[in-house]
Amino acid sequence: QKEVEQDPGPLSVPEGAIVSLNCTYSNSAFQYFMWYRQYSRKGPELLMYTYSSGNKEDGRFTAQVDKSSKYISLFIRDSQPSDSATYLCAMSASKAAGNKLTFGGGTRVLVKP
Amino acid sequence: DVKVTQSSRYLVKRTGEKVFLECVQDMDHENMFWYRQDPGLGLRLIYFSYDVKMKEKGDIPEGYSVSREKKERFSLILESASTNQTSMYLCASSLEDGPDEQFFGPGTRLTVL
Repeated sequence: QKEVEQDPGPLSVPEGAIVSLNCTYSNSAFQYFMWYRQYSRKGPELLMYTYSSGNKEDGRFTAQVDKSSKYISLFIRDSQPSDSATYLCAMSASKAAGNKLTFGGGTRVLVKP
Repeated sequence: DVKVTQSSRYLVKRTGEKVFLECVQDMDHENMFWYRQDPGLGLRLIYFSYDVKMKEKGDIPEGYSVSREKKERFSLILESASTNQTSMYLCASSLEDGPDEQFFGPGTRLTVL
């Protein structure tokens, strides 16, 4: 079993819909949670960063962390065709030397005009 | 803007060849990472380095080695390329003191024939 599970999709939604993405994990030591967005033929770029449990909002994006359920979510409101990309969750247990991250497999999202 | 560059976007090599993938970052980051990305498997850490001349094995180091002679440069070496090393290779860097955000290069698509 993978340490971080993420549905690969693809997830196809009409423009303007809410996109809901999630990851589950097994390592209870994870306390730093990130979402990366990766466009085709590009490297991933950080979208959202949260520490421990709770919600964080940034424009149309909301990240939620539920450590008791080992479950994290990313919501994209008013989705746009430019949001079409692969979304990767990532997490780490500590800020020890190297700052290693464990990634989910990524969910491909397609927003149709 | 942080910039992470990789020496090649596409590379085709033959089985048994020695392959060098170069990565350079321009933000004086202490940490540097090499991942490979395969469909359904996400990003898997091959090696990382948290200082010049320091290296640590990641989750899948077999068949790879690395070199970090200067802070800004981190090289991935395939001593004898094999077909199962056909993949997308991503380099990343991050600060030692600060958020866990890793900045990624554009990736190198390596095909081993």
